[in-house]
Amino acid sequence: EAQVTQNPRYLITVTGKKLTVTCSQNMNHEYMSWYRQDPGLGLRQIYYSMNVEVTDKGDVPEGYKVSRKEKRNFPLILESPSPNQTSLYFCASSVSPGEQYFGPGTRLTVT
Amino acid sequence: SQQGEEDPQALSIQEGENATMNCSYKTSINNLQWYRQNSGRGLVHLILIRSNEREKHSGRLRVTLDTSKKSSSLLITASRAADTASYFCATAGGGCSSASKIIFGSGTRLSIRP
Repeated sequence: EAQVTQNPRYLITVTGKKLTVTCSQNMNHEYMSWYRQDPGLGLRQIYYSMNVEVTDKGDVPEGYKVSRKEKRNFPLILESPSPNQTSLYFCASSVSPGEQYFGPGTRLTVT
Repeated sequence: SQQGEEDPQALSIQEGENATMNCSYKTSINNLQWYRQNSGRGLVHLILIRSNEREKHSGRLRVTLDTSKKSSSLLITASRAADTASYFCATAGGGCSSASKIIFGSGTRLSIRP
């Protein structure tokens, strides 16, 4: 089954404690992306990757890091989370920027 | 930067009626996509229209694109209770520096009354 998986689905953490949200796709897609969704603001792109070892900033990259060492995986790293990073996070993948398949989301709370 | 602005923000219609949502954007694009999101879940891709296309159909969905006005509309015909969801447009950039960025609109919440 074609899918994008994210882990964990729910996470409560404290300010400053480094965390990683994993994302994996099984469709051999080149393009992968991370978004955050906040009430009233829609989805905002954090980082995207056109292929292995090729990543670029989206609209809200501050406080986040990504890596793309393998085509299927695109982890999101928060080196020092802060409360303003409390949000619902989505990973997505597609052949090219366009018809994206989304993961189920990760609800992050930073206290 | 918010590229897409959607209108209306919320829409409530009777089952069986048609629903129309509009999306406006600011810069040139390669394509425009529409997605559906059921409460708090992942988004589901509905339809993609390229910048050189004017209209596209998929089942009960009809999407139009007017690049001169930088706007798109999504029409859902013969609405059903299961269409209740939030609908988002998203654009993939047309400029060299932003061709790979995707920018979402703020969405339209559609409610279908039985």
